Amino acid sequence: DIQMTQSPSSLSASVGDRVTITCRASQGIRNDLAWYQKKPGKAPKRLIYAASSLQSGVPSRFSGSGSGTEFTLTISSLQPEDFATYYCLQHNNYPPVTFGQGTRLEIK
Amino acid sequence: QVQLVQSGAEVKKPGASVKVSCKTSGYTFTSLDINWVRQATGQGLEWVGWMNPNSGYTGSAQKFQGRVTMTRNTSISTAYMELRSLRSDDTAIYYCARTNGDFDHWGQGTLVTVSS
Repeated sequence: DIQMTQSPSSLSASVGDRVTITCRASQGIRNDLAWYQKKPGKAPKRLIYAASSLQSGVPSRFSGSGSGTEFTLTISSLQPEDFATYYCLQHNNYPPVTFGQGTRLEIK
Repeated sequence: QVQLVQSGAEVKKPGASVKVSCKTSGYTFTSLDINWVRQATGQGLEWVGWMNPNSGYTGSAQKFQGRVTMTRNTSISTAYMELRSLRSDDTAIYYCARTNGDFDHWGQGTLVTVSS
């Protein structure tokens, strides 16, 4: 199975900061990767699909990049509502799929 | 609009079974797979398994094989996930998700608590 290594596992940042989260795949997955935001008590919310396509309705401060084995999610200017946990999901050889371990984004 | 609405919270004893439903609307139920994902308290997202609502074909992560069954009722556009021989570490929120490549729409989640 394809393994996804997500880093960092946690991150402290301030409103207005630029943050980057990375996912590395154990083998090439083309651009078969999505990013999700997870808040307590809420279902995961898709932010990015196909590695770099912004989900409709998601603010443009979110962006994704990468292909093959290395992917990044960038938030250009953190807003208070962005403090949450973020997950990548690879679906290259669906099924199965693999989630990254998650990145908890906390207020500094 | 696409909606996935799950059944309510469940409390079960160890060794029992639980069946969670996921009623869909806003699209053709048989056109896209349904996947199930769970999250235990303080843990990450964990893939459980998948079902093709058209064919009924299913599959699951290796750790759930033999314990999980996914079914559907196409007449009411509803998917089901049954997990058997419940253990305390099965306590989690279970989500269904429509699969269009990745998981584009999710149910609201169903809390399953396993406790004696």
